[in-house]
Amino acid sequence: GNSVTQMEGPVTLSEEAFLTINCTYTATGYPSLFWYVQYPGEGLQLLLKATKADDKGSNKGFEATYRKETTSFHLEKGSVQVSDSAVYFCALSGVGGYNKLIFGAGTRLAVHP
Amino acid sequence: GAVVSQHPSRVICKSGTSVKIECRSLDFQATTMFWYRQFPKQSLMLMATSNEGSKATYEQGVEKDKFLINHASLTLSTLTVTSAHPEDSSFYICSAGTGTDAYEQYFGPGTRLTVT
Repeated sequence: GNSVTQMEGPVTLSEEAFLTINCTYTATGYPSLFWYVQYPGEGLQLLLKATKADDKGSNKGFEATYRKETTSFHLEKGSVQVSDSAVYFCALSGVGGYNKLIFGAGTRLAVHP
Repeated sequence: GAVVSQHPSRVICKSGTSVKIECRSLDFQATTMFWYRQFPKQSLMLMATSNEGSKATYEQGVEKDKFLINHASLTLSTLTVTSAHPEDSSFYICSAGTGTDAYEQYFGPGTRLTVT
């Protein structure tokens, strides 16, 4: 079936460190891929997206590239800030229902000064 | 813009009672609303999709008689957990969609339900 696998957290980093959160997917066809972020006490927000292979989504210094050959969509940021502390969800859509989202388990990021 | 609220944010109820959770799109009209359930350290699981004025479409394995969804207007959807049991304790999240693309969904902050 269709699924998303994320690296387990929590991920703990010092400010200005490099961040990678791994995400791989299993899907039939060609899904769209997303990263969502959930700050404490708030709803999930779309962080970035990519709709076809080799697309790079980017926003707020975060990037992720849609890699069809490795079925991956890893999230990266060159220099994290304390304010980036949140839970990050990888998700896919477009398979078995165009507007349905299938989420990974989420990865909690904690950034310390 | 694109704010979605949920009420209540936390609720505790006794086993056998019913509880209603509201989801509102505050500054836009939602063509579609989605209800998700999230278990600790697990992903959000889609429970059902509802369009205003229509019956909800439930995902496989979700009991429609237990989780009643009403989408009476373009800004309000409700989820009623009927005859709740401790195993229904979970985090329930709604989202409101403005278009046909999956990323055009805006999420509420979630409701923590505890059944004692």
